[in-house]
Amino acid sequence: DTGVSQNPRHKITKRGQNVTFRCDPISEHNRLYWYRQTLGQGPEFLTYFQNEAQLEKSRLLSDRFSAERPKGSFSTLEIQRTEQGDSAMYLCASSLAKEATNTEAFFGQGTRLTVV
Amino acid sequence: AQSVTQLDSHVSVSEGTPVLLRCNYSSSYSPSLFWYVQHPNKGLQLLLKYTSAATLVKGINGFEAEFKKSETSFHLTKPSAHMSDAAEYFCVVRYTGGFKTIFGAGTRLFVKA
Repeated sequence: DTGVSQNPRHKITKRGQNVTFRCDPISEHNRLYWYRQTLGQGPEFLTYFQNEAQLEKSRLLSDRFSAERPKGSFSTLEIQRTEQGDSAMYLCASSLAKEATNTEAFFGQGTRLTVV
Repeated sequence: AQSVTQLDSHVSVSEGTPVLLRCNYSSSYSPSLFWYVQHPNKGLQLLLKYTSAATLVKGINGFEAEFKKSETSFHLTKPSAHMSDAAEYFCVVRYTGGFKTIFGAGTRLFVKA
């Protein structure tokens, strides 16, 4: 499968614990995005990488959230001291951008986080 | 502010009848527009995209959308609904030079037998 891969698919954690999610984008894609989707809502932008550089973070991304893409390939999203309000589906997407071309984003199946 | 509005949170049609899902975006120079579909427990799948070529865009599964700049709309249509079309549909906009993809709130399509 050469699509966007996210792990784990599901995560249940106790409030206050730290969690980390991984995203493996499509191999030649240089852009990687994280979104959060709560029940009944559309995905909300969290952050974006161009290669290894994190170029924008949403105000939704509090200081408990951190994302990395160390070698411009896979990315991790860590949530520290989780709260019940963090319960959501976390989606990763990737796209290829070169020169004036910017293709559509391809999405992974997401990681569903439940904080109890 | 950049935004996209899906005018209906729910649409219900009978199988075999036309589908219309409405989307309006905030006006900006050369937006790229997309429709994605999300089936339960599945990832978002691209249906079609508009990137300043033909204003009538054909997508997968018989869906198409028309970009109307004067109306700042990008409505999704299908001539004949199928039961398998029942899902959540998202209208998405990205502006020239931008990277952030902005999603509408979604329209849930119900298809009755």
